[in-house]
Amino acid sequence: QKEVEQNSGPLSVPEGAIASLNCTYSDRVSQSFFWYRQYSGKSPELIMSIYSNGDKEDGRFTAQLNKASQYVSLLIRDSQPSDSATYLCAVKGGGATNKLIFGTGTLLAVQP
Amino acid sequence: NAGVTQTPKFRILKIGQSMTLQCAQDMNHNYMYWYRQDPGMGLKLIYYSVGAGITDKGEVPNGYNVSRSTTEDFPLRLELAAPSQTSVYFCASRPPHGRGDNTGELFFGEGSRLTVL
Repeated sequence: QKEVEQNSGPLSVPEGAIASLNCTYSDRVSQSFFWYRQYSGKSPELIMSIYSNGDKEDGRFTAQLNKASQYVSLLIRDSQPSDSATYLCAVKGGGATNKLIFGTGTLLAVQP
Repeated sequence: NAGVTQTPKFRILKIGQSMTLQCAQDMNHNYMYWYRQDPGMGLKLIYYSVGAGITDKGEVPNGYNVSRSTTEDFPLRLELAAPSQTSVYFCASRPPHGRGDNTGELFFGEGSRLTVL
């Protein structure tokens, strides 16, 4: 089992719709969870971080974490063509580990 | 601040050649990471370092070596390059945890695109 799993997509949504991106992880003691956005040919950039169960909202973005189910998701409301990118889920293990493990990423395409 | 600087941006190697990818950061970050990203894939952790003199293997360390003699620099060495090492390599850094701060935000360099023929 991969440590961090994502559906590779592409996920295609119409402009203005809600895009839902999902991620599961295998390490039960993981503490910190991140969503990075990567435009084609560019470096990843952090868009959301979440550490506690529940929802965390930042503008059009909402991250959701369920540690019991080992599941983290990202919702993008009112999707825009400029949101078209690959979204990478990253997980930092618990304890003293400083590893940050990434999933394979989900390609999101927002259709005008 | 320049942030994280990687050199070279592009390089073509022949099979069996060796080279070093350079990474430097000027943010006084303790933690530094090397990832590789194959086409259409996520990032795979090669090596990381929690400070000068300390390095650890990541998910895919075979064929690579690193050193961390200073806080600023974290070079990645490829010995005996193979076609399987054709990839985009990203160096990243992050600050240590502050009080109550659990941030994992990585600051990435622009990447180094390596082709092994």
